[in-house]
Amino acid sequence: DVKVTQSSRYLVKRTGEKVFLECVQDMDHENMFWYRQDPGLGLRLIYFSYDVKMKEKGDIPEGYSVSREKKERFSLILESASTNQTSMYLCASSSGGVGTGELFFGEGSRLTVL
Amino acid sequence: DQQVKQNSPSLSVQEGRISILNCDYTNSMFDYFLWYKKYPAEGPTFLISISSIKDKNEDGRFTVFLNKSAKHLSLHIVPSQPGDSAVYFCAASASRFGSSNTGKLIFGQGTTLQVKP
Repeated sequence: DVKVTQSSRYLVKRTGEKVFLECVQDMDHENMFWYRQDPGLGLRLIYFSYDVKMKEKGDIPEGYSVSREKKERFSLILESASTNQTSMYLCASSSGGVGTGELFFGEGSRLTVL
Repeated sequence: DQQVKQNSPSLSVQEGRISILNCDYTNSMFDYFLWYKKYPAEGPTFLISISSIKDKNEDGRFTVFLNKSAKHLSLHIVPSQPGDSAVYFCAASASRFGSSNTGKLIFGQGTTLQVKP
């Protein structure tokens, strides 16, 4: 059974703290993604990676960075958390290929920044 | 600028009836469209997709229709079941920019479907 695992389901952090969200996939997928989900805004792409050590900015990269040192692991970093980064964060992976586009999502990490 | 729009935040239907969820897009480069379903406290799961070379794709109770001239797609669920109650996201990608190779998708805001027994 394919699996994308996010390390923390719920986190509470203080403004200014550094936050790490970890994601691991066991499907040997080339592509990995970080989205955030907010009411009324849907899923918005923060960053994605199509290969180890490669990263691309998504639509809302400000305030975030990422790391992909190994194929199976993609980390999202909030260097200095702010209250407007309170959200549900979703990691996903895909094998790519033209016309596929199917993403496999983790269960999400709900982050609250106080 | 919202390139993929789901203008109905919520929809309520009776069990056994048809559910129709709508999605509009603005980018004419989009050529691959998907629907995802999301239950609370779970990640979205893939439901059904359609390529722009088709105007209809069916999978059991789920059918997606694509109207390229109107830049509109819809998801039909027939018959609707209480277990279908979830948030449905429409998503799109543009292969010309390689996003189909990378799997990069643009999502709509989501529509919450409630199917009443």
